[in-house]
Amino acid sequence: NAGVTQTPKFQVLKTGQSMTLQCAQDMNHNSMYWYRQDPGMGLRLIYYSASEGTTDKGEVPNGYNVSRLNKREFSLRLESAAPSQTSVYFCASRKTLVGLAGEQFFGPGTRLTVL
Amino acid sequence: GENVEQHPSTLSVQEGDSAVIKCTYSDSASNYFPWYKQELGKRPQLIIDIRSNVGEKKDQRIAVTLNKTAKHFSLHITETQPEDSAVYFCAASGTNSGYSTLTFGKGTMLLVSP
Repeated sequence: NAGVTQTPKFQVLKTGQSMTLQCAQDMNHNSMYWYRQDPGMGLRLIYYSASEGTTDKGEVPNGYNVSRLNKREFSLRLESAAPSQTSVYFCASRKTLVGLAGEQFFGPGTRLTVL
Repeated sequence: GENVEQHPSTLSVQEGDSAVIKCTYSDSASNYFPWYKQELGKRPQLIIDIRSNVGEKKDQRIAVTLNKTAKHFSLHITETQPEDSAVYFCAASGTNSGYSTLTFGKGTMLLVSP
Protein backbone atom coordinates (compact mmCIF):
# COMPACT_ATOMS: atom_id res chain seq x y z
CA ASN A 1 0.00 0.00 0.00
CA ALA A 2 1.23 3.47 -0.89
CA GLY A 3 -0.83 5.06 1.92
CA VAL A 4 -1.52 8.76 1.24
CA THR A 5 0.13 10.27 -1.84
CA GLN A 6 0.29 13.89 -2.96
CA THR A 7 1.29 15.62 -6.17
CA PRO A 8 3.20 17.72 -6.90
CA LYS A 9 5.99 17.71 -4.28
CA PHE A 10 7.05 21.27 -5.08
CA GLN A 11 5.40 24.13 -6.96
CA VAL A 12 6.20 27.76 -7.62
CA LEU A 13 3.38 30.05 -8.74
CA LYS A 14 3.06 33.70 -9.60
CA THR A 15 0.44 35.81 -7.83
CA GLY A 16 -2.94 35.29 -9.49
CA GLN A 17 -2.17 31.91 -11.03
CA SER A 18 -4.32 28.91 -10.24
CA MET A 19 -3.44 25.32 -9.47
CA THR A 20 -4.81 22.11 -8.03
CA LEU A 21 -3.08 19.96 -5.44
CA GLN A 22 -3.90 16.29 -5.75
CA CYS A 23 -4.26 13.75 -2.95
CA ALA A 24 -5.10 10.06 -3.06
CA GLN A 25 -5.28 7.27 -0.47
CA ASP A 26 -5.47 3.53 -0.92
CA MET A 27 -6.48 2.57 2.63
CA ASN A 28 -10.24 2.65 1.99
CA HIS A 29 -10.58 5.54 4.43
CA ASN A 30 -13.78 7.53 4.57
CA SER A 31 -12.50 10.89 5.80
CA MET A 32 -9.91 13.10 4.15
CA TYR A 33 -8.37 16.42 5.19
CA TRP A 34 -6.26 19.29 3.87
CA TYR A 35 -3.94 21.18 6.21
CA ARG A 36 -1.44 23.95 5.76
CA GLN A 37 1.71 24.19 7.84
CA ASP A 38 3.47 27.49 8.40
CA PRO A 39 6.50 28.08 10.64
CA GLY A 40 5.45 28.38 14.28
CA MET A 41 1.78 27.85 13.46
CA GLY A 42 1.33 24.11 13.64
CA LEU A 43 -1.07 22.39 11.27
CA ARG A 44 -4.25 24.28 10.43
CA LEU A 45 -7.25 22.62 8.84
CA ILE A 46 -8.34 24.13 5.53
CA TYR A 47 -11.14 21.80 4.42
CA TYR A 48 -12.18 18.27 5.13
CA SER A 49 -14.44 15.59 3.73
CA ALA A 50 -16.02 13.38 6.36
CA SER A 51 -17.25 10.97 3.71
CA GLU A 52 -17.54 10.68 -0.04
CA GLY A 53 -19.89 13.36 -1.33
CA THR A 54 -19.45 15.80 1.57
CA THR A 55 -17.02 18.65 2.19
CA ASP A 56 -16.81 21.20 4.99
CA LYS A 57 -14.76 24.23 5.90
CA GLY A 58 -12.04 24.06 8.49
CA GLU A 59 -10.23 26.82 10.32
CA VAL A 60 -8.67 28.63 7.31
CA PRO A 61 -10.79 28.00 4.16
CA ASN A 62 -10.58 31.42 2.51
CA GLY A 63 -8.93 31.35 -0.92
CA TYR A 64 -9.35 27.58 -1.36
CA ASN A 65 -11.84 25.15 -2.81
CA VAL A 66 -11.95 21.37 -2.62
CA SER A 67 -13.41 18.46 -4.52
CA ARG A 68 -13.95 14.93 -3.21
CA LEU A 69 -13.68 13.23 -6.58
CA ASN A 70 -14.37 9.74 -5.24
CA LYS A 71 -13.57 7.80 -2.09
CA ARG A 72 -9.84 7.73 -2.89
CA GLU A 73 -9.20 11.27 -4.11
CA PHE A 74 -9.50 14.72 -2.54
CA SER A 75 -8.15 17.77 -4.37
CA LEU A 76 -7.41 21.31 -3.18
CA ARG A 77 -7.66 24.22 -5.62
CA LEU A 78 -6.21 27.69 -5.39
CA GLU A 79 -8.16 29.84 -7.84
CA SER A 80 -5.99 32.96 -7.59
CA ALA A 81 -2.83 32.34 -5.62
CA ALA A 82 -1.55 34.96 -3.19
CA PRO A 83 1.85 35.20 -1.42
CA SER A 84 0.03 34.50 1.88
CA GLN A 85 -0.69 31.02 0.55
CA THR A 86 3.00 30.15 0.49
CA SER A 87 3.09 27.13 2.77
CA VAL A 88 3.52 23.38 3.02
CA TYR A 89 0.25 21.58 2.34
CA PHE A 90 -0.52 18.19 3.84
CA CYS A 91 -3.32 15.86 2.96
CA ALA A 92 -4.47 13.29 5.52
CA SER A 93 -7.00 10.50 5.74
CA ARG A 94 -8.74 8.58 8.49
CA LYS A 95 -10.96 5.54 8.75
CA THR A 96 -14.05 7.05 10.29
CA LEU A 97 -15.70 5.26 13.13
CA VAL A 98 -19.01 6.86 13.99
CA GLY A 99 -18.64 8.93 17.13
CA LEU A 100 -15.02 7.92 17.66
CA ALA A 101 -11.94 9.92 16.65
CA GLY A 102 -8.85 8.07 15.47
CA GLU A 103 -5.44 8.26 13.81
CA GLN A 104 -4.97 10.46 10.79
CA PHE A 105 -2.39 9.35 8.22
CA PHE A 106 -0.53 12.11 6.42
CA GLY A 107 0.80 12.41 2.91
CA PRO A 108 4.37 13.60 2.18
CA GLY A 109 3.32 17.22 1.63
CA THR A 110 3.46 19.78 -1.17
CA ARG A 111 5.76 22.77 -0.74
CA LEU A 112 4.12 25.74 -2.49
CA THR A 113 5.74 29.11 -3.06
CA VAL A 114 3.73 32.04 -4.44
CA LEU A 115 5.81 34.92 -5.77
CA GLY B 1 -14.11 25.88 18.47
CA GLU B 2 -11.30 23.99 20.12
CA ASN B 3 -8.10 25.80 21.08
CA VAL B 4 -4.88 23.96 21.91
CA GLU B 5 -1.90 25.60 23.60
CA GLN B 6 1.48 23.83 23.61
CA HIS B 7 4.59 24.54 25.68
CA PRO B 8 7.50 24.91 25.42
CA SER B 9 8.08 25.93 21.81
CA THR B 10 11.67 24.65 21.99
CA LEU B 11 13.29 22.16 24.34
CA SER B 12 16.96 21.20 24.52
CA VAL B 13 18.08 18.20 26.57
CA GLN B 14 21.14 16.02 26.94
CA GLU B 15 21.02 12.45 25.71
CA GLY B 16 19.62 10.23 28.45
CA ASP B 17 17.59 13.00 30.10
CA SER B 18 13.81 13.09 30.17
CA ALA B 19 11.70 15.53 28.15
CA VAL B 20 8.19 16.74 28.95
CA ILE B 21 5.89 18.66 26.61
CA LYS B 22 2.60 20.06 27.88
CA CYS B 23 -0.65 20.97 26.17
CA THR B 24 -3.92 22.48 27.30
CA TYR B 25 -7.23 22.38 25.47
CA SER B 26 -10.41 24.41 25.77
CA ASP B 27 -13.30 22.15 24.74
CA SER B 28 -14.39 19.85 27.54
CA ALA B 29 -16.15 17.66 24.94
CA SER B 30 -12.82 16.69 23.28
CA ASN B 31 -12.17 13.01 23.81
CA TYR B 32 -9.12 12.04 21.75
CA PHE B 33 -5.59 13.39 22.17
CA PRO B 34 -2.87 12.26 19.75
CA TRP B 35 0.79 13.21 19.62
CA TYR B 36 2.61 13.46 16.29
CA LYS B 37 6.35 13.54 15.58
CA GLN B 38 7.63 15.36 12.52
CA GLU B 39 11.22 15.02 11.43
CA LEU B 40 12.72 17.73 9.25
CA GLY B 41 11.20 17.70 5.78
CA LYS B 42 8.98 14.71 6.57
CA ARG B 43 5.31 14.14 7.22
CA PRO B 44 3.81 14.09 10.76
CA GLN B 45 3.51 10.58 12.16
CA LEU B 46 1.48 9.42 15.14
CA ILE B 47 3.61 8.26 18.06
CA ILE B 48 1.01 7.81 20.80
CA ASP B 49 -2.58 8.76 21.55
CA ILE B 50 -4.95 8.68 24.49
CA ARG B 51 -8.70 8.75 24.87
CA SER B 52 -10.59 10.60 27.55
CA ASN B 53 -11.55 7.45 29.46
CA VAL B 54 -7.86 6.74 30.22
CA GLY B 55 -5.54 8.75 32.47
CA GLU B 56 -2.17 7.46 31.28
CA LYS B 57 -0.74 5.39 28.45
CA LYS B 58 2.80 4.12 27.91
CA ASP B 59 4.69 2.74 24.94
CA GLN B 60 8.30 1.90 25.74
CA ARG B 61 10.10 5.23 26.34
CA ILE B 62 7.12 7.45 25.70
CA ALA B 63 4.05 8.09 27.83
CA VAL B 64 1.10 10.43 27.76
CA THR B 65 -0.93 11.61 30.74
CA LEU B 66 -4.34 13.27 30.65
CA ASN B 67 -6.04 15.41 33.29
CA LYS B 68 -9.60 15.98 32.11
CA THR B 69 -10.52 18.20 35.03
CA ALA B 70 -7.69 20.62 34.31
CA LYS B 71 -7.97 20.07 30.53
CA HIS B 72 -4.32 19.37 30.01
CA PHE B 73 -2.24 16.49 28.73
CA SER B 74 1.49 15.86 28.54
CA LEU B 75 4.02 13.84 26.57
CA HIS B 76 6.89 12.28 28.51
CA ILE B 77 9.97 10.89 26.78
CA THR B 78 12.48 9.08 28.97
CA GLU B 79 16.10 8.19 28.18
CA THR B 80 16.12 10.55 25.22
CA GLN B 81 18.26 9.71 22.19
CA PRO B 82 19.52 11.93 19.35
CA GLU B 83 16.98 10.33 17.01
CA ASP B 84 14.22 11.76 19.21
CA SER B 85 15.16 15.21 17.87
CA ALA B 86 12.14 16.45 15.91
CA VAL B 87 9.10 18.68 16.18
CA TYR B 88 6.30 17.25 18.30
CA PHE B 89 2.66 18.28 17.93
CA CYS B 90 -0.17 17.64 20.32
CA ALA B 91 -3.77 17.71 19.12
CA ALA B 92 -7.26 17.46 20.49
CA SER B 93 -10.37 16.18 18.80
CA GLY B 94 -13.23 18.53 18.40
CA THR B 95 -16.58 18.40 16.67
CA ASN B 96 -17.09 20.31 13.45
CA SER B 97 -20.52 19.96 11.80
CA GLY B 98 -21.04 16.75 13.71
CA TYR B 99 -17.78 15.13 12.66
CA SER B 100 -14.54 14.81 14.53
CA THR B 101 -11.63 17.00 13.44
CA LEU B 102 -8.25 17.62 15.07
CA THR B 103 -6.96 20.94 16.36
CA PHE B 104 -3.17 21.00 16.64
CA GLY B 105 -0.86 22.86 18.97
CA LYS B 106 1.88 24.97 17.43
CA GLY B 107 4.58 22.41 18.05
CA THR B 108 7.66 21.86 20.21
CA MET B 109 11.09 21.53 18.66
CA LEU B 110 13.01 18.96 20.72
CA LEU B 111 16.78 18.87 20.36
CA VAL B 112 18.66 16.01 22.01
CA SER B 113 22.39 16.61 22.23
CA PRO B 114 24.80 13.64 22.41
